[in-house]
Amino acid sequence: EAGVAQSPRYKIIEKRQSVAFWCNPISGHATLYWYQQILGQGPKLLIQFQNNGVVDDSQLPKDRFSAERLKGVDSTLKIQPAKLEDSAVYLCASSLEGLAGFYEQYFGPGTRLTVT
Amino acid sequence: GNSVTQMEGPVTLSEEAFLTINCTYTATGYPSLFWYVQYPGEGLQLLLKATKADDKGSNKGFEATYRKETTSFHLEKGSVQVSDSAVYFCALRGTGNQFYFGTGTSLTVIP
Repeated sequence: EAGVAQSPRYKIIEKRQSVAFWCNPISGHATLYWYQQILGQGPKLLIQFQNNGVVDDSQLPKDRFSAERLKGVDSTLKIQPAKLEDSAVYLCASSLEGLAGFYEQYFGPGTRLTVT
Repeated sequence: GNSVTQMEGPVTLSEEAFLTINCTYTATGYPSLFWYVQYPGEGLQLLLKATKADDKGSNKGFEATYRKETTSFHLEKGSVQVSDSAVYFCALRGTGNQFYFGTGTSLTVIP
């Protein structure tokens, strides 16, 4: 079974530029998550999708971050304009709806963003 | 609100030593609790889980018991190996299926 795919793996941009990350979840997984992991910290949930609807985006800085999940499969996360403090690893994860109520998340390798 | 607090690292142990990494949580309702591990150069992986009070999760010699009375989910291993060197994250899943992670504890095991 293929895992969660993310691209690019690395990105360096200057502040005030824009950047987009792409995620392809595991086939059949209804739930998709985007996390921001700043160096030395744990992942922080930015947005959670259930199919193509947003479940939680309470920690997404909506003045500069946006995300979409068209057709309930792939997702893109965009930052425009980027700030220095956006330097982090952006993780995508997906999970399968289950009857038992436990949804294991499978994480992608992440995209390391450096804003200079 | 929901949050997870875990002991700060880094932790350095000799091979075969006993490991404890403390984790406490704050949550509304009845969360599920998890330990994730991130090996050097790899992505996050689920290590073990517990979905209700008094459950014990276990995997690869690691164990953690869901203690509702002390709101804790401490990770333990009786005899660590060099290959256990990694960053360990405690996490909870809230009632809305959102996940909250601790800050991570780096473990280095020396031969």
